[in-house]
Amino acid sequence: LAKTTQPISMDSYEGQEVNITCSHNNIATNDYITWYQQFPSQGPRFIIQGYKTKVTNEVASLFIPADRKSSTLSLPRVSLSDTAVYYCLVGDILGGGADGLTFGKGTHLIIQP
Amino acid sequence: DGGITQSPKYLFRKEGQNVTLSCEQNLNHDAMYWYRQDPGQGLRLIYYSQIVNDFQKGDIAEGYSVSREKKESFPLTVTSAQKNPTAFYLCASSATGTRFFGSGTQLSVL
Repeated sequence: LAKTTQPISMDSYEGQEVNITCSHNNIATNDYITWYQQFPSQGPRFIIQGYKTKVTNEVASLFIPADRKSSTLSLPRVSLSDTAVYYCLVGDILGGGADGLTFGKGTHLIIQP
Repeated sequence: DGGITQSPKYLFRKEGQNVTLSCEQNLNHDAMYWYRQDPGQGLRLIYYSQIVNDFQKGDIAEGYSVSREKKESFPLTVTSAQKNPTAFYLCASSATGTRFFGSGTQLSVL
């Protein structure tokens, strides 16, 4: 199972772009990269998912280099409401079921005025 | 309105008591999961089920039990054997691997 490493915490300010990088050196061929957001006392919420290069949706962008050993979640123009814990997960989503996706401690992002 | 419903939102357990947490989904997902989250920590997998009438232990199954008699339902029982049950419990379901989570149940010991 691919292990991920991400910063424990990050700080930024409203209106800034925030980039959170995740390392996954032993990612497997069938593995996808998925990011979740969690607010206190709530369940994690899916943000974005990708396999390679760049993926963009209405909330964020995900950059994945050619070797796929890392990925960067980019949040444009953050606001106070983006303060949350962000989890990077790597796993074989096509396998479905319990592929052993492991949630680490995530990155606690704090946005200040 | 599709989604995952967990109940109750808050639950208190007395010493030696078994308690059951409910999880219902109407997303028609085959796979369902139970996670435990302690303050400031990530999620740890307790049990998972890939199909009705089948389930597997996760990383921290001791002191817990589950059943999967219906596709929509995956209740978790916290037994008296679980000596440190105070935590936030999250249920999730998936069809292709991406997890959809409920809003959680906070379990505390009286």
